Amino acid sequence: DIQMTQSPSSMSVSLGDTVTITCRASQDVGIYVNWFQQKPGKSPRRMIYRATNLADGVPSRFSGSRSGSDYSLTISSLESEDVADYHCLQYDEYPPTFGAGTKLELK
Amino acid sequence: QVQLQQSGAELVKPGTSVKLSCKASGYTFTSNHMNWIKQTTGQGLEWIGIINPGSGGTSYNVKFKGKATLTVDKSSSTAFMQLSSLTPEDSAVYYCARGSGSYDYWGQGVMVTVSS
Repeated sequence: DIQMTQSPSSMSVSLGDTVTITCRASQDVGIYVNWFQQKPGKSPRRMIYRATNLADGVPSRFSGSRSGSDYSLTISSLESEDVADYHCLQYDEYPPTFGAGTKLELK
Repeated sequence: QVQLQQSGAELVKPGTSVKLSCKASGYTFTSNHMNWIKQTTGQGLEWIGIINPGSGGTSYNVKFKGKATLTVDKSSSTAFMQLSSLTPEDSAVYYCARGSGSYDYWGQGVMVTVSS
């Protein structure tokens, strides 16, 4: 199975920060990476699809990028509602595999 | 609007089976695949399998073959996942999620607790 190595596992952040979370794929997955936000007790919400595309209704402070096998989710000017867990997913090859998640916590 | 409504929480005994449901509305059920995903604190999110509601065709994560069985009822726009021979390791939140790559809509999740 393809491994998605996500880092950091947790991050202490302040409002207004620019935050970057990264997933490294163990083999080429092309553009087939999604990013999800998950708040406690809620189901995941798709934020980015196909590595760089903003999902419907997602604020423009969220962006996705790719550099080789590294995929990043960036949140510019962090707001309180952005404090959550974030997960990456590759779906280029079966089985689809998720990163281990990143937990954002306020300082 | 698209909605995926999952069945309620389950408390089940080891060795038994449970059948979870995911009722779709707001779109053409047979036009989108349906995934099932497991979430635990220790293992994170794991993809279980996918079903094509139109054809009934399925694909499973090898890890869950023999554990999970995916079916649909087109007449009620409902996807089902049966989990068999339950053990405490099957205790988790299970989600359905639409799409063979999109994962654009998710059910609210159902907590399954396996305990004697």
